[in-house]
Amino acid sequence: AQTVTQSQPEMSVQEAETVTLSCTYDTSESDYYLFWYKQPPSRQMILVIRQEAYKQQNATENRFSVNFQKAAKSFSLKISDSQLGDAAMYFCAYRSVPGAGSYQLTFGKGTKLSVIP
Amino acid sequence: DVKVTQSSRYLVKRTGEKVFLECVQDMDHENMFWYRQDPGLGLRLIYFSYDVKMKEKGDIPEGYSVSREKKERFSLILESASTNQTSMYLCASSAWATRTDTQYFGPGTRLTVL
Repeated sequence: AQTVTQSQPEMSVQEAETVTLSCTYDTSESDYYLFWYKQPPSRQMILVIRQEAYKQQNATENRFSVNFQKAAKSFSLKISDSQLGDAAMYFCAYRSVPGAGSYQLTFGKGTKLSVIP
Repeated sequence: DVKVTQSSRYLVKRTGEKVFLECVQDMDHENMFWYRQDPGLGLRLIYFSYDVKMKEKGDIPEGYSVSREKKERFSLILESASTNQTSMYLCASSAWATRTDTQYFGPGTRLTVL
């Protein structure tokens, strides 16, 4: 079974600064997906960014980018130019590829990010 | 935009009551999921369904059952609620597993069992 570990329960960042959230995972599969989801306080969980393991290029979405190190099984999220609206719980998640018998996401325990004005 | 709705944002029930949590999605998604979210534990999958009347157990199915009679609706049932089922419950849906599928989440139901 796959496991996802987020070693930072809480983090804080000054507005306009850059912060990196860590995620490591354990799997014996060679192809899979990795995700970062954001859950703002009392609001819906939304997808921030997705990485396919077979792609060597790191995914980016505006101010959000990942550092995907497949050999190290590491998948960190970098938020540049942090904004107050980035304050949220961030979850790292893993999913097997279609056909591997599983549609479910395996989540880490989350990192609570605070943004300091 | 995909929309996933849940019947209640907050729910208070008593121990032993039968509880229904309902989830509806409007994007004709095949897959639907029920998660439980607890502080320090992240999200844990209770059940999922990949088609009407089909269901699979997740990581923590004990004490729960599900029903999917229509494609757009997925219900979570607590047959006899207990205090340890006090939690946030999240529903999600996704299209048939392709390389581009994403899970879309509902707003959650915070259930308190007294």
